[in-house]
This record gives sequence, C-alpha cells and structure tokens, in this order.
Amino acid sequence: LAKTTQPISMDSYEGQEVNITCSHNNIATNDYITWYQQFPSQGPRFIIQGYKTKVTNEVASLFIPADRKSSTLSLPRVSLSDTAVYYCLVGDLSLYNNNDMRFGAGTRLTVKP
Amino acid sequence: EADIYQTPRYLVIGTGKKITLECSQTMGHDKMYWYQQDPGMELHLIHYSYGVNSTEKGDLSSESTVSRIRTEHFPLTLESARPSHTSQYLCASRTSETQYFGPGTRLLVL
Repeated sequence: LAKTTQPISMDSYEGQEVNITCSHNNIATNDYITWYQQFPSQGPRFIIQGYKTKVTNEVASLFIPADRKSSTLSLPRVSLSDTAVYYCLVGDLSLYNNNDMRFGAGTRLTVKP
Repeated sequence: EADIYQTPRYLVIGTGKKITLECSQTMGHDKMYWYQQDPGMELHLIHYSYGVNSTEKGDLSSESTVSRIRTEHFPLTLESARPSHTSQYLCASRTSETQYFGPGTRLLVL
C-alpha cells in the first residue's frame, strides 16, 4: 500500500486557484491516484482520478509528474463552498482486495471571503 | 449520483441497547465498507465485504459486527451500545474505479 502525505490544512480566498500536493514515494506501477472531497457530516465524494500526466474534469485538474511520486490537485477559482477536507488515495484499482480504501487525515481547505 | 442509502441518519440511544445501522445500495456492487469517523478526524475502516457471505474486519478494532446475506444490504450491529460508540458511521460501496459513500449515520449513545 502506497502511503500518502498531504498538508494538514490550507487557507485560501475566494476566486483563487488552490493546489494541494500529495506525496506517494512508494507508488507501484499499477497504482492509480484518486482524490475525494468531504464536507462536514457527509461521506467523501469522488473528485478526480488519474494515472499519469494531466487529467481535467469539470471540477478540478490533476497533475502527475513523470516519476509519479507526487500529484497535485488543482481547484480553479475556489468559492466558499469548496471549504472541505480533500483526501488523496493511491492504489491498484484492479486488485480484488481492500488495501486501496484507506483514507489518511486529508487536507482541510478553508476558503475565506 | 450513486444510490447508496443509510438509515437512520441520526440515532440517540441509551447505554446497553442493541442497534442495527442499515446500509443498502442498488448498484450491484460486490465490495462494501463501513467506516467510523469522529468529528474533524480521519475515517477509520472497521468492516468490509467482498460480496455475499464475505465479511472482514478493518483496521480499527470495533465491537460491532456486520453481515452480508444479500449483495445490496450490509447492516452493522452493535449488541450493547456504549458512550464510546458515539461517532459517525459511513457506509460505502465501490466499482473498480471509485468508491461511493452513503450520507452516514450519526450515533449518540448516552
């Protein structure tokens, strides 16, 4: 299981771009990188997933360098409603086991007016 | 949006009572999970299942038990609730790509 390291917390202001970096030095060849968002009193929600280079969807972008030892979740022009905890998970999606479903402490993002 | 349901959403109960937290999903997912999360803290995996008749304990020791008699149903039971069981309990199921969470059950044991 690739251990991940993220900043405990980050602050930002409305309209800014926020980049949250996750380190996963022991990532394996078949591992994918997945990011989740969790609001208070709710379950985590899938944001984005990638294997290498760059992935973009309507919510965020995910940047993965060639060595894949880290990844950066980019949230463009955040609003107050983006205040949440963001989790980075790394795991082999094809394995029929549970090791990739452990959530770390996550990064608590606070967006200020 | 994923179709995964948890009931009750909130439960206040006295010490020593037996409770069952319900979790159902209509997506036909084989893998299901239970997490425990205190406010502002990490999610801790307490139980999971690979499919019908499969149940496994997670990382966090828990006095709860689970069953998986049907694919869509993964209930969690506490035989004798205690104040230390006060927490939020999140159920999830997954595809090969991602995990879907229910809304959670917030449990308060007095």
